[in-house]
Amino acid sequence: SQQGEEDPQALSIQEGENATMNCSYKTSINNLQWYRQNSGRGLVHLILIRSNEREKHSGRLRVTLDTSKKSSSLLITASRAADTASYFCATDLDSNYQLIWGAGTKLIIKP
Amino acid sequence: DTAVSQTPKYLVTQMGNDKSIKCEQNLGHDTMYWYKQDSKKFLKIMFSYNNKELIINETVPNRFSPKSPDKAHLNLHINSLELGDSAVYFCASSQDQRYEQYFGPGTRLTVT
Repeated sequence: SQQGEEDPQALSIQEGENATMNCSYKTSINNLQWYRQNSGRGLVHLILIRSNEREKHSGRLRVTLDTSKKSSSLLITASRAADTASYFCATDLDSNYQLIWGAGTKLIIKP
Repeated sequence: DTAVSQTPKYLVTQMGNDKSIKCEQNLGHDTMYWYKQDSKKFLKIMFSYNNKELIINETVPNRFSPKSPDKAHLNLHINSLELGDSAVYFCASSQDQRYEQYFGPGTRLTVT
């Protein structure tokens, strides 16, 4: 069953702008992860945030987690053309660690 | 030094054939996975192995059979291929189920 849902489905912005993607989920989780997939490639792990954490940073990436709203957001600051990709959130069910994936947000950075 | 590798990258075959996809990881991870990504980019877990033992077996047709000869390898064999099997199949590995996963480049399977 689908657990995570990303919003928006697609996002197109100018290079240098910030991009924000959201993920909502339905049940209690142990952690939430964000991955990037460039066209025709495998997924690359970006950030893992645990259920007891509220915010995490990695370079130009900032992830927040609100367990009361069952939602997370991924912010990419000062976007670059190379950030063009699909971004997926994945949550694991509290009872086990099996990852359930959303359908992804397709991000296009216009030069 | 590819961390997670899959072969072949592309596989075109006819309905009814049997095919295999191989996966190897050199990260020393204990857990390996097979995923199917459909045309809408939706990613679904098929199987998960931990130390050569099956731990997740989602509802997939029994035409799909994973085989783990050792901790570093998880192969996927598919019997009697159908049109609906056309998709991109990804292998992944992780230290264990609680940690981030590392993905292979994918195998694009086209059944004609």
